[in-house]
Amino acid sequence: GDSVTQMEGPVTLSEEAFLTINCTYTATGYPSLFWYVQYPGEGLQLLLKATKADDKGSNKGFEATYRKETTSFHLEKGSVQVSDSAVYFCALSDPNSGNTGKLIFGQGTTLQVKP
Amino acid sequence: DAGVTQSPTHLIKTRGQQVTLRCSPKSGHDTVSWYQQALGQGPQFIFQYYEEEERQRGNFPDRFSGHQFPNYSSELNVNALLLGDSALYLCASSLAGGVINEQFFGPGTRLTVL
Repeated sequence: GDSVTQMEGPVTLSEEAFLTINCTYTATGYPSLFWYVQYPGEGLQLLLKATKADDKGSNKGFEATYRKETTSFHLEKGSVQVSDSAVYFCALSDPNSGNTGKLIFGQGTTLQVKP
Repeated sequence: DAGVTQSPTHLIKTRGQQVTLRCSPKSGHDTVSWYQQALGQGPQFIFQYYEEEERQRGNFPDRFSGHQFPNYSSELNVNALLLGDSALYLCASSLAGGVINEQFFGPGTRLTVL
């Protein structure tokens, strides 16, 4: 079945360092891809998305490009801040479930940014 | 504009009991999905409700059931609780026919089964 695999954490960086969190997926169709962020004690917030191959999603300095050839959607940020410390989830939408169908999540990657 | 709200925030139950969790979707949304997030894991899809009917279901046993009301709010019911049901239960709302899979999540209900 469809699945998402993320790099294991925790990832610990110093402020202003470059961030990459790897995400690869397996899907039978053409899913949309998402990055969600979860701050301590809160629900998930949509960070960015891409709906087709070669699309680049971006928000708050974060970027990710939908790479169909490598089935990847890696999250990047050029300069992280302490406030970026959170758990990041890569997800895909089940391509057979319509535009509001179920999301399939990776296991999450914890990012800790130190001052 | 209120976002997705869930109640209660925390809940403690014992094995074999039944529990009901509640969710109010974001204003203007008509579709509600429920997810279970075990500690240290990503959320797992339980089911989705639209027009007061279950539209999709994940790989969860029949002990998990739900309901959607005419005002689009939703309940998740879990019967015969097991220790393994301890998790954060997330509700997400969206608009059918809206921006592709723009799901908005609530803060969750933390269920502990003793």
